[in-house]
Amino acid sequence: RKEVEQDPGPFNVPEGATVAFNCTYSNSASQSFFWYRQDCRKEPKLLMSVYSSGNEDGRFTAQLNRASQYISLLIRDSKLSDSATYLCAVGYNNNDMRFGAGTRLTVKP
Amino acid sequence: NAGVMQNPRHLVRRRGQEARLRCSPMKGHSHVYWYRQLPEEGLKFMVYLQKENIIDESGMPKERFSAEFPKEGPSILRIQQVVRGDSAAYFCASSPNLQGGVTQYFGPGTRLTVL
Repeated sequence: RKEVEQDPGPFNVPEGATVAFNCTYSNSASQSFFWYRQDCRKEPKLLMSVYSSGNEDGRFTAQLNRASQYISLLIRDSKLSDSATYLCAVGYNNNDMRFGAGTRLTVKP
Repeated sequence: NAGVMQNPRHLVRRRGQEARLRCSPMKGHSHVYWYRQLPEEGLKFMVYLQKENIIDESGMPKERFSAEFPKEGPSILRIQQVVRGDSAAYFCASSPNLQGGVTQYFGPGTRLTVL
């Protein structure tokens, strides 16, 4: 079983749609959680950290469920520019980190 | 504050040659990570280094691959006797020396093509 698993996608949605990504992790020692965005042929860039209380940044909402060991990302009112691959990542106390394989999102006009 | 730098950005090698990929972490960062990404696939962890130490190399192939992060200078990922299957994007990331899990910041990657 992979340490971090994501919906493989692809997700194809119209502009304005709400889309949700889920990610599960297997190691209960995971300490920190993140969502990254990766555009085609570019490096991953941090989108947001994920906290137990949940956090929101504009149209993006991230949530963590430690008991069930999953994190989620919700994108509301999706834009064409949201098209990218979204990677979840879990970090450990020794600063090590593991990434999911990513979920590809395409927002269409 | 310059970000993570990687060079070269593109590298072409023939089968059997050596490839050396360099990574300079962000200023103040002492942890470096290397990842490989095959076309249309996810990011695969290779190795985690601190200055002069390998912390976790569980993702490194057993042969032909090595990594170092010397006291002075960039981190180097070295691939000996490259094969076509080594063609991929190699990303380096860095993080500061803090406890409790920290964000990694990525460089632009080196795209290796093996002919």
